[in-house]
Amino acid sequence: DQQVKQNSPSLSVQEGRISILNCDYTNSMFDYFLWYKKYPAEGPTFLISISSIKDKNEDGRFTVFLNKSAKHLSLHIVPSQPGDSAVYFCAAVKWANNLFFGTGTRLTVIP
Amino acid sequence: NAGVTQTPKFQVLKTGQSMTLQCAQDMNHNSMYWYRQDPGMGLRLIYYSASEGTTDKGEVPNGYNVSRLNKREFSLRLESAAPSQTSVYFCASSGGGSSYEQYFGPGTRLTVT
Repeated sequence: DQQVKQNSPSLSVQEGRISILNCDYTNSMFDYFLWYKKYPAEGPTFLISISSIKDKNEDGRFTVFLNKSAKHLSLHIVPSQPGDSAVYFCAAVKWANNLFFGTGTRLTVIP
Repeated sequence: NAGVTQTPKFQVLKTGQSMTLQCAQDMNHNSMYWYRQDPGMGLRLIYYSASEGTTDKGEVPNGYNVSRLNKREFSLRLESAAPSQTSVYFCASSGGGSSYEQYFGPGTRLTVT
């Protein structure tokens, strides 16, 4: 039973435009959310996070938005760069720092 | 600062063989984790260790055992490998407490034939 869902397996965006990656969750007990980026043959690397008491967190080109009533979060990358091409996972924390991951979205930024 | 290291990087086993995946971190983190990643399924938690001397089951613990050898090292053992355990295995660590960010190793790609 997938508690964190990323319904778009892939996304292609032109360089310089905005990339929007979406994530939905089913469990209202999640209280912290994270985005990870993964290149092939490497482990996931932490990108940005947000607490459930906030609705927005920004770090440079990356912004995460949280809509608790809709159980939805999104990651915005502006402007997108070719080096952003990777698989992006959203993850949620419920207890004991255990992360529940989505299935990932493969972002391709076209030069 | 190597971060989280894992050995081996690749392994092929026959059904019924056993092996141990090794993980070490040099960030003085309290908590360590083992995940598996299968195609189309994201990462799923196998076991975790909130602190030295403690281990607990995650979402998919069947067929695995773990040992928190010391604060730095956390190993994952497959006693009798099965084809269903073909996967990429990631070890991670975090500071624990209110620090939710986990830092991952490069992974071990395991094939069981």
